[in-house]
Amino acid sequence: AQSVTQPDIHITVSEGASLELRCNYSYGATPYLFWYVQSPGQGLQLLLKYFSGDTLVQGIKGFEAEFKRSQSSFNLRKPSVHWSDAAEYFCALGYGSYIPTFGRGTSLIVHP
Amino acid sequence: EPEVTQTPSHQVTQMGQEVILRCVPISNHLYFYWYRQILGQKVEFLVSFYNNEISEKSEIFDDQFSVERPDGSNFTLKIRSTKLEDSAMYFCASSGQEEGNTEAFFGQGTRLTVV
Repeated sequence: AQSVTQPDIHITVSEGASLELRCNYSYGATPYLFWYVQSPGQGLQLLLKYFSGDTLVQGIKGFEAEFKRSQSSFNLRKPSVHWSDAAEYFCALGYGSYIPTFGRGTSLIVHP
Repeated sequence: EPEVTQTPSHQVTQMGQEVILRCVPISNHLYFYWYRQILGQKVEFLVSFYNNEISEKSEIFDDQFSVERPDGSNFTLKIRSTKLEDSAMYFCASSGQEEGNTEAFFGQGTRLTVV
């Protein structure tokens, strides 16, 4: 069965530091992969997506993610974190009729 | 930019009452979804809807729940006889059909509180 694992429940970084949020998936074929961000009390905003092609995808707000088939991973990165990036980040997998299946989320805390 | 809109943003209801959560998907989208997020937990898929019928549903989506697209623009989730454990944020989403346009766009959510 398909699944998404985000191994880190919380990540704490200092403002200006680099960030990497981990995501691993389990699926028998090439998945569609997404990263969403949820600010406190807000809805889900799509940061970036991978369907096919270039395995390094660029998203909004300076985020990027790299699809690594050999590692079944789709980690999210940002070279320099801003305080406004503090939020909950969800990795999601789409398949078949493209219904996103979400990971449990990683809460990003940014220290000044 | 087109967006999915949900109303109300917050609804409080008494246990045992029926609630209807409303969503207006993006106008040219064909797939519609409901998800829920219990406080502090993951976002869980409830149901997807395509061509005026349910295409998939999770084990959460039992007989207590129903969905409807009563007209060309609205997509509703009805919860009959609400329970305390139905308290959650409910997200509506929609997506298109064409390849390369299959990400789901989410609304801001309706926070349902059952008391």
